[in-house]
Amino acid sequence: QSVLTQPPSVSGAPGQTVIISCTGSSSNIGAHYDVHWYQQLPGRAPKLLIFTNNKRPSGVPDRFSGSKSGASASLAITGLQAEDEADYYCHSYDTALSGVVFGGGTKLTVL
Amino acid sequence: QMQLVQSGAEVKMPGSSVRVSCKASGGTFGSSAIDWVRQAPGQGLEWVGLIIPVFGTIDYAQKFQGRVTITADKSTGTSYLDLTSLTSDDSAVYFCARADYTNSFDSWGQGTLITVSS
Repeated sequence: QSVLTQPPSVSGAPGQTVIISCTGSSSNIGAHYDVHWYQQLPGRAPKLLIFTNNKRPSGVPDRFSGSKSGASASLAITGLQAEDEADYYCHSYDTALSGVVFGGGTKLTVL
Repeated sequence: QMQLVQSGAEVKMPGSSVRVSCKASGGTFGSSAIDWVRQAPGQGLEWVGLIIPVFGTIDYAQKFQGRVTITADKSTGTSYLDLTSLTSDDSAVYFCARADYTNSFDSWGQGTLITVSS
């Protein structure tokens, strides 16, 4: 059971928008710790997609955006493309555990 | 951007120990935080611990306390993960990753598959 809760799977057709949620608590996201998001393609290392809640590293398309409110965060992907099919993870810090925590991951299927 | 290259896959016996290395090039290894994250087959990401070589700061996830040691050699830009008393539950891909000033992991190693089996 992950400290940060993500839906196991989401899906959408090409061109559509999907939103992946990441729900935490008062000891992590709700305690104002930042949320970061990663994309992991099959057999590959994770890749940083969004840092500090809503910032994109250089080279990440603006189809990817992040937001945070209260004890939750979200990753939105607009204009879905086949290449977006991957696993997505949120990441934050938990003060009760005194360490890094991840969401359980969400598998995105592009129909 | 920092590149991280990890050691190769290993098969270990239950009860034994393993060392995984992570060599950095580019960037400033000494002032970066190097975190270790593992991923069991078909499972999610799990944080193991971190080291900040310039400060000598080391921190481990509670789950691994007593079984894990993370070290760094600033002269070679290499971090090491040592895990003892291996069980089949430790079979996973182990990643090293650099944490920048935002504490996000902006560079990742390619991963090292550790298989624990008799």
